[in-house]
Amino acid sequence: DAGVIQSPRHEVTEMGQEVTLRCKPISGHNSLFWYRQTMMRGLELLIYFNNNVPIDDSGMPEDRFSAKMPNASFSTLKIQPSEPRDSAVYFCASSFSGSRGSARYGYTFGSGTRLTVV
Amino acid sequence: GQQVMQIPQYQHVQEGEDFTTYCNSSTTLSNIQWYKQRPGGHPVFLIQLVKSGEVKKQKRLTFQFGEAKKNSSLHITATQTTDVGTYFCAPRGSSNTGKLIFGQGTTLQVKP
Repeated sequence: DAGVIQSPRHEVTEMGQEVTLRCKPISGHNSLFWYRQTMMRGLELLIYFNNNVPIDDSGMPEDRFSAKMPNASFSTLKIQPSEPRDSAVYFCASSFSGSRGSARYGYTFGSGTRLTVV
Repeated sequence: GQQVMQIPQYQHVQEGEDFTTYCNSSTTLSNIQWYKQRPGGHPVFLIQLVKSGEVKKQKRLTFQFGEAKKNSSLHITATQTTDVGTYFCAPRGSSNTGKLIFGQGTTLQVKP
C-alpha cells in the first residue's frame, strides 16, 4: 500500500486565491481526518469523516474552510479566499474505526501539504 | 473538551542518556496513543495503550498507562541520534468519540 497520499506537497499562493488540498486515504480505512500544524497552535483537528460522512467539523476555523469526501478514496480541503494566517502544514490521516466510530488502530498520516499564503 | 498536558515541552540530552515524556489528563481516559514526528516529517503511530497500568515495550521505548488511566509516559533508554523528533500523546476520553486530539508534544534533541 502506498499509504495516505496528499497533493500537492507544497503550495504557494497569493492572498485571496482559492486553495484546494487533496487526499487519498488508505484503501479499507473508513475514517479520514484533516489536521493543521503550526508552531503556535500545534496539531489541530479540523474535521473528520466516518464512512464518507462528516462527523465533526468543530475545528474548522471559519466559513472560508470547507471539506468534502465524495467517495471512500478521495477527500478535499478547500480554503476560499486564502489568507496569510492560513499558512501551515496540512495533514490528512486515515484509520479504521469500529461501528461507533472509535479508532481501534493508529492513524496513518500523509506527508502533508505545506501551504504558504503571501 | 479533553484537556491534556504534555511535559516537558523540550528536552536536550547527551546521546546515551535516558529520556522520559509525560502526558497528564484531568479526566479518565479510554485509551491513549503515542506518535513520533521527525523534523520535517509527519506523525507516525507508535503504540496504543488501553488497560489500566498497562506497560508495553518496543526495543528501547517503554510506554506506561497509569493505574487511574489519567496519565501516561514514554521512556527511552540510552537515546540515540535517531530518536530526535517530537513525541505526541493522543488521548481519547471516555466519550469514545472517533476523533483524536493531540497533546502539545515533547521535542527531543540528542547531542552526539
